[in-house]
This record gives sequence, C-alpha cells and structure tokens, in this order.
Amino acid sequence: KNEVEQSPQNLTAQEGEFITINCSYSVGISALHWLQQHPGGGIVSLFMLSSGKKKHGRLIATINIQEKHSSLHITASHPRDSAVYICAVRYLTQGAQKLVFGQGTRLTINP
Amino acid sequence: DGGITQSPKYLFRKEGQNVTLSCEQNLNHDAMYWYRQDPGQGLRLIYYSQIVNDFQKGDIAEGYSVSREKKESFPLTVTSAQKNPTAFYLCASSRSSSYNEQFFGPGTRLTVL
Repeated sequence: KNEVEQSPQNLTAQEGEFITINCSYSVGISALHWLQQHPGGGIVSLFMLSSGKKKHGRLIATINIQEKHSSLHITASHPRDSAVYICAVRYLTQGAQKLVFGQGTRLTINP
Repeated sequence: DGGITQSPKYLFRKEGQNVTLSCEQNLNHDAMYWYRQDPGQGLRLIYYSQIVNDFQKGDIAEGYSVSREKKESFPLTVTSAQKNPTAFYLCASSRSSSYNEQFFGPGTRLTVL
C-alpha cells in the first residue's frame, strides 16, 4: 500500500464546477504539501499545511490530522486550472525529513 | 529572477551512454534534490544534498551519481548501469533540508533509445 493515496486519479469537469481532490496518508506527518504540475512538467507549490485550512484565491486546502486526510478544493474552476495536482507528505524517519509524493490527480476543465 | 534552471528540456541518448543533467539555482539554498517521475507514479527521490560537498542516496540511487562542488549546482549523471533511465527528471531546492518548502525546476525529459 502506498503511503500517500490520491483520488480520483483523473477528473474531468465543466468550467465553473466546484472541484475536490482527496489525499489520504498512512504515517504521522509534520506537513502536507499540495503541488501543481502543468503539461510542460514544471511544478509549483500551492500550499504547505500542518493543520486546519488555507485559502489562496479560488484554491482551498484542508487537512484533518486525526483522520490522516487532506482535500484540495477549487471553486469556479477554469480551463487554466487543468493540470496534475500532487499531494506530498513530510515526515521524520531515522533522523531525517522525508517527502513522499502521491501519484497525482489529472484535472481537465472543459470550457 | 531567482529560480532553478534545468537544461536541456529534452535529452536523447543511446543505450549504454552516460548522460549528465544539469541543475542550477540562484536562490542561495543549501539543500538540493533530484527526483524521478514515471507515468502513474509519484516522484521518487534519487539523491539529495544538504550542503555543498555533501550528498546522500535517496530511495532509488542505483545507476545514478551526483556531485555538489558548488552551492548553486547539483548535476545528476545517469549511468549505463541504470536499467530503465527513460523518465522525467526534476531538480528541487530548499533553504535547508529541514525547511519544508521545496522549489522545483522545469524538469528534463530523458529518452534513451
């Protein structure tokens, strides 16, 4: 079983729809990251959170530490939101910080 | 502009040849990382360096080598010992290895023919 599981793997929606991408993990973590990877391959960090909720523009990220679960929401989705969204968790193992990535969720927003 | 550069964007090599991927950052970050990305899989750590002249193996270091002679540079060599080198390679850096946020380069897509 992967340490980080994302769902769904692929998501297609119409412009304007509310989008939710989920991330579940199996280890105790110090932080969780949401990243965005555009078709060209470059990755941009969207959020880093260890508790509660963060909001940036139309993007909202929440985390429930007890349930080991995080969600990324996009309100009023737009075709330019089409990308792969990656969840990554950071935890301490053998004295070093380790970052483990989910397999990504491919989001396509149709006009 | 501060950031991370990787070159080239696309790289083709014949099987059995070593190839070096470059990664340069001007963010004055101490820590640098190399990841490999394969379709349908999460990024996997190849090597990381916490400080200049030091580096450690990640989860999939076999068939790869690195050097960190300068703070701003962390080149990755894909050797002929790497069984399946065709992949997308991403370099990242962070202020320190204990600092949470990593900044990523644009990636290099390596195809071995």
